[in-house]
Amino acid sequence: AQTVTQSQPEMSVQEAETVTLSCTYDTSESDYYLFWYKQPPSRQMILVIRQEAYKQQNATENRFSVNFQKAAKSFSLKISDSQLGDAAMYFCAYRGGGADGLTFGKGTHLIIQP
Amino acid sequence: GAVVSQHPSRVICKSGTSVKIECRSLDFQATTMFWYRQFPKQSLMLMATSNEGSKATYEQGVEKDKFLINHASLTLSTLTVTSAHPEDSSFYICSASVLAGGPGDTQYFGPGTRLTVL
Repeated sequence: AQTVTQSQPEMSVQEAETVTLSCTYDTSESDYYLFWYKQPPSRQMILVIRQEAYKQQNATENRFSVNFQKAAKSFSLKISDSQLGDAAMYFCAYRGGGADGLTFGKGTHLIIQP
Repeated sequence: GAVVSQHPSRVICKSGTSVKIECRSLDFQATTMFWYRQFPKQSLMLMATSNEGSKATYEQGVEKDKFLINHASLTLSTLTVTSAHPEDSSFYICSASVLAGGPGDTQYFGPGTRLTVL
């Protein structure tokens, strides 16, 4: 079974600074997809960024980028120019090639200090 | 686009009763929907995969007779918690894929339903 590990229960960063959230995963599949979701206090899950395992280029979405290291099974999220609205729980998620549901990590609570 | 709704957003029921939660894709068709459960301050756990026109696939440890799933159309899946007990109290979230439900398709989530069983 696949597992997703987020080793940082909580992270704190000053507004406008950069923060990196860690995620590692374990799988025997070669074809899979990785995601970062944000869950604010409203509890609505919001897709932040996604990465296809077959793509070597790291995904970017505005201030959000990932560092995907396939051999190391690492998928970290970098948030640049942190904003107060970025404060939320961030979940790393894995989806295999079999169109199954997502496997989530335990989440990282991101605090933005004004 | 890609909006998923859930109804109700919050429900309180007595122990032993059944509760139905609806998940709708508002502006797209979804052959596959997923149901997750989230306990307070914990992560989301996949409960089952709902396929339109066929039986749902349940994850290990999830009682299929307790959590009944019906994917009646390409825009609606329902989760019925039968004979609910206090330990079933949780936050239930559904998701749907925009396209054909392939592994590369992004899942969009509903806003969730908070179930409290007294």
